[in-house]
Amino acid sequence: EIVLTQSPGTLSLSLGERATLSCRASQSVTNSYLAWYQQKPGQAPRLLIYGASTRATGIPERFSGSGSGTDFTLIITRLEPEDFAVYFCQQYGTSPNTFGQGTKLQIK
Amino acid sequence: QVQLQESGPGLVKPSETLSLTCTVSGGSITTSYWTWIRQPPEKGLEWIGCIYYSGTTNYNPSLKSRVTMSVDTSKSQFSLKLDSVTAADTAVYYCARGQLVPDDWGQGTLVTVSS
Repeated sequence: EIVLTQSPGTLSLSLGERATLSCRASQSVTNSYLAWYQQKPGQAPRLLIYGASTRATGIPERFSGSGSGTDFTLIITRLEPEDFAVYFCQQYGTSPNTFGQGTKLQIK
Repeated sequence: QVQLQESGPGLVKPSETLSLTCTVSGGSITTSYWTWIRQPPEKGLEWIGCIYYSGTTNYNPSLKSRVTMSVDTSKSQFSLKLDSVTAADTAVYYCARGQLVPDDWGQGTLVTVSS
C-alpha cells in the first residue's frame, strides 16, 4: 500500500501568516488522486481538496492544493482562527485508500 | 448534503464481534457508495472499506478477513461487522458518503475493546 508521510508534524504560526503543509507518497499517486482534510478536536474530518487541487464545496479560496507524482502541498494563506486544526492527506488512486499521519497547525 | 449517524455498542470484549450501523437521512442511500473509516485515539485515519447499495463491497486487505459490510435500503442503513476484535481495534469509527473521497461524515462513535 502507498504510505503517505506528512511534514512537519506540528506547525506553529500566527494569525494572518501563510501555512505550507507537505504530503509525500511512497510511490506515485495515480492521476493525482490526492485529497486533504481538516479535523478539529471532537469532530469528523472535513474534505477540503480533492484531485490534488480542486476545492470542495464551500471551502474558502485561501485553501489551495498543488502537486503531482509523489509530492503534494496544501497552502493556507492568511491564517484565520478557525484554521488551526489537524490536516490529513489521503491518496485514493491505489487501493487501499491510505491517509497520512497528520500535521497539527497550532497558534504561535 | 446528507446526514449520517453511527450507532452501536461503545464497549466490546476481546475476541467478540464489533457491530455498528449508520443511518442515512436527507438523501437516498441508493445514489452513493458508503464508507467506514476508523481513527485510533490520538492517531491517524484508516480506511476500512465501502459498500454500494447493491451490496458490492471493497475492503481494506489488512482487515478483509474480519470485515463484513451490509446495506438495508428499506431502512436507509448500512452496517459494519468486525470479527475477533482486540485492543488494537479500539477507535472512533466513522461512517461516510463516497467511495474514494468521503465528503459527508457522521460524527463518529468511540468503540473500546476491553474485558
